[in-house]
Amino acid sequence: EVQLLASGGDLVQPGGSLRLSCAASGFTLSSYAMSWVRQAPGKGLEWVSCLSDTFATALYADSVKGRFTISRDNSKNTLYLQMNSLRAEDTAEYFCAKSDGELRFGYYYYYMDVWGKGTTVTVSS
Amino acid sequence: DIQMTQSPSTLSASIGDRVTITCRASQSISSWLAWYQQKAGKAPKLLIYKASSLHSGVPSRFSGSGSGTEFTLTISGLQPDDFATYYCQQYNSYWTFGQGTKVEIK
Repeated sequence: EVQLLASGGDLVQPGGSLRLSCAASGFTLSSYAMSWVRQAPGKGLEWVSCLSDTFATALYADSVKGRFTISRDNSKNTLYLQMNSLRAEDTAEYFCAKSDGELRFGYYYYYMDVWGKGTTVTVSS
Repeated sequence: DIQMTQSPSTLSASIGDRVTITCRASQSISSWLAWYQQKAGKAPKLLIYKASSLHSGVPSRFSGSGSGTEFTLTISGLQPDDFATYYCQQYNSYWTFGQGTKVEIK
């Protein structure tokens, strides 16, 4: 069974750092694009970052570019999100998601087919 | 950036009703659209991808249609398990979600 388990969420002060982990089971993480999506309390979903499969290309939302870094450890089948210079507006539940999709016209079109239970990040003094 | 607008924001319906949710993109996204269901305190679940393809294991009462900038999610015969919030998402250029539609019990 394909499963994702996110962890690492915590209460952190503004300007602080945190690393989220997402342990994958039932599939080989490096064979798929993987994403982080967040949801602020009472709000909708916001895509944060994506790591492609083949060349491990990283993409980021403008709101986190330059502060967050997505990566993976193939030996641990785990995805990470390193979050630096945290702000109050980064407070949210963070979900990791496996992507699927297709290659068309030289581009990959990914949607998120499996989601893990979220981990909560609170940025507050 | 591509903006996604869902309507309505809230929908009150009864068991057995046919429910339709609309999603509009600020520019053409071809058929690169997905629909997700989220229940309170839970992770989203994929329902539909590529505008009209039903994800494995999703009941056939869920269906999607549309292309370009106009899309709909239809639930034919609302069941108790369907009361939740639904999000559309474009994946034509990066990823953007609609603001969500909460389906409530009437």
